[in-house]
Amino acid sequence: EVQLVESGGGLIQPGGSLRLSCAASEVTVGSNDMGWVRQTPGKGLEWISIIYFKKPYYADNVKGRFTISRDSSQNTLILQMNSLRAEDTALYYCARLIKFKGFDMWGQGTMVTVSS
Amino acid sequence: DIQMTQSPSSLSASVGDRVTITCRASQGISNYLAWYQQKPGRVPNLLIYAASTLQSGVPSRFSGGGSGTDFTLTISSLQPEDVATYYCQKYDSAPFTFGPGTKVDL
Repeated sequence: EVQLVESGGGLIQPGGSLRLSCAASEVTVGSNDMGWVRQTPGKGLEWISIIYFKKPYYADNVKGRFTISRDSSQNTLILQMNSLRAEDTALYYCARLIKFKGFDMWGQGTMVTVSS
Repeated sequence: DIQMTQSPSSLSASVGDRVTITCRASQGISNYLAWYQQKPGRVPNLLIYAASTLQSGVPSRFSGGGSGTDFTLTISSLQPEDVATYYCQKYDSAPFTFGPGTKVDL
């Protein structure tokens, strides 16, 4: 079954770090454009990062704090999040981007809560 | 960066009504525009891509149109299962910005 499964979310204090993972089945992470989208509870979707044509891109509000990468040996997409802020609290989705379609495949999401 | 706006932010309609949502890009994006449906408590689901092409499995009552900066999503006959929030998104290049969403209720 084709699926994306996120993990690594949790409760973290402001200024802390978390590492999110997105494990892919039947999809090769290294051969696809893969990214992260987040959603604050009750709010809209916010694109935050992607590996697109093998280059990383970031939204302005996470640039310098978040790093996207992939582990081809584990077929996993990774988001390293540092210097976390309360406004980073959200459900984080992993998704696959198809160049002429948009995000056609989504994981179930992993919740990140930044609070003291 | 290109900004995406949607109108209205919410709407209420009756079963069988024709519903139209508008999405506007602050600069031209050709037809690199996708629409997503997110039902309450669910993961977003790709509905339409390339502004007007239905994703496989999407009912034909959904349609999309537009190019450049102005786009529309139309539900020709609203059904109870269409209650959701609808988002547009540009995917021509980074940043892959979403619109703020339109909540559709019965």
